[in-house]
Amino acid sequence: DGGITQSPKYLFRKEGQNVTLSCEQNLNHDAMYWYRQDPGQGLRLIYYSQIVNDFQKGDIAEGYSVSREKKESFPLTVTSAQKNPTAFYLCASSIGWNEQFFGPGTRLTVL
Amino acid sequence: AQTVTQSQPEMSVQEAETVTLSCTYDTSESDYYLFWYKQPPSRQMILVIRQEAYKQQNATENRFSVNFQKAAKSFSLKISDSQLGDAAMYFCAYGASGGGADGLTFGKGTHLIIQP
Repeated sequence: DGGITQSPKYLFRKEGQNVTLSCEQNLNHDAMYWYRQDPGQGLRLIYYSQIVNDFQKGDIAEGYSVSREKKESFPLTVTSAQKNPTAFYLCASSIGWNEQFFGPGTRLTVL
Repeated sequence: AQTVTQSQPEMSVQEAETVTLSCTYDTSESDYYLFWYKQPPSRQMILVIRQEAYKQQNATENRFSVNFQKAAKSFSLKISDSQLGDAAMYFCAYGASGGGADGLTFGKGTHLIIQP
């Protein structure tokens, strides 16, 4: 079955640690995205990538980093510079202007 | 920058009745895309309906339809014959055109409650 997988489902981070969230898709989509969702808020764009080895900052990129070495994979690293990382993180992919398909999300909590 | 506003934090409707969720947006572009996404308690984002701005005809998907008013920058979602499974958060989203897949701008959402 084609789709988007995110792992882990739940992630706990200690203060000062970097953590990496995984996102994999087998839909053969060129574009991939990372969004952050806070309670009572909509989704906000962190980073996006339209092609392998290229990515762009979204609206709230500070404290995050990404890589796009393979078409299928778009991992997100939450660095210690992100002061309030507790949130729900969603990965998505798309072909051009068709709908974005979303993964099931990762819940990150800072201890 | 584009903005999307959903003015109804919460809506409640009786099962089998019709409900309309409001969305307004701000853009200086003439060509763009608008979406309604549903997020049930599982938190999985599901596309409900999509509208291309260059199309005058309102999009329809079964019980879901939109009222797209381009001049007013309004994009409301109508759910007919509401069902218990429609209970969810609903997000309106804007996507810019221009050949690049630059990500979507989302509103803050409307929590839809279905009363049995």
